[in-house]
Amino acid sequence: TQLLEQSPQFLSIQEGENLTVYCNSSSVFSSLQWYRQEPGEGPVLLVTVVTGGEVKKLKRLTFQFGDARKDSSLHITAAQPGDTGLYLCAGVGSGGGADGLTFGKGTHLIIQP
Amino acid sequence: DSGVTQTPKHLITATGQRVTLRCSPRSGDLSVYWYQQSLDQGLQFLIQYYNGEERAKGNILERFSAQQFPDLHSELNLSSLELGDSALYFCASSVALGRRTQYFGPGTRLTVL
Repeated sequence: TQLLEQSPQFLSIQEGENLTVYCNSSSVFSSLQWYRQEPGEGPVLLVTVVTGGEVKKLKRLTFQFGDARKDSSLHITAAQPGDTGLYLCAGVGSGGGADGLTFGKGTHLIIQP
Repeated sequence: DSGVTQTPKHLITATGQRVTLRCSPRSGDLSVYWYQQSLDQGLQFLIQYYNGEERAKGNILERFSAQQFPDLHSELNLSSLELGDSALYFCASSVALGRRTQYFGPGTRLTVL
């Protein structure tokens, strides 16, 4: 069974601060996705990283895929209250067959004004 | 709005009962996925259908079943409900098989009393 562990589980910081969320696994994934989920809604895809060492930027968000394709990080620069939400990483399996995603338990992020 | 619709939004029932959750995928999407989100387990993949056929199973209990109909909508049937089945149930859809972007619906919140 492939498992993804996210840390921290909860994070509350002030507006303008920087933060990093981590997603780690002992398994290799063919790609890894980051989602953001708001209360009462389904997860929304932010980014997919595919290549080991890949870095993608989405405005103030920087996503990195580890060289061995087992871990990933999400860095937010100058966090804003609108960044508040549940951030989930999800691994796409490296074998054929099921396309179901393996999710971490998420990081609950609160940005206080 | 992801284009995926789920009904009902909320469902309250008693232990031992049976319920059916409904999902309509985005127009043109052939693949449907069901996920369960609970506080202790996080978001877990249950089952995938593609063009009416079961494609893959994840952590789905034997008391749960699903089907995808010719018009591509899907239903998740939960029977002999237990307190622990209380959770958010999400449906997602993608255009085809493989590492395609999955679009999540708003979810159905099931409460078993």
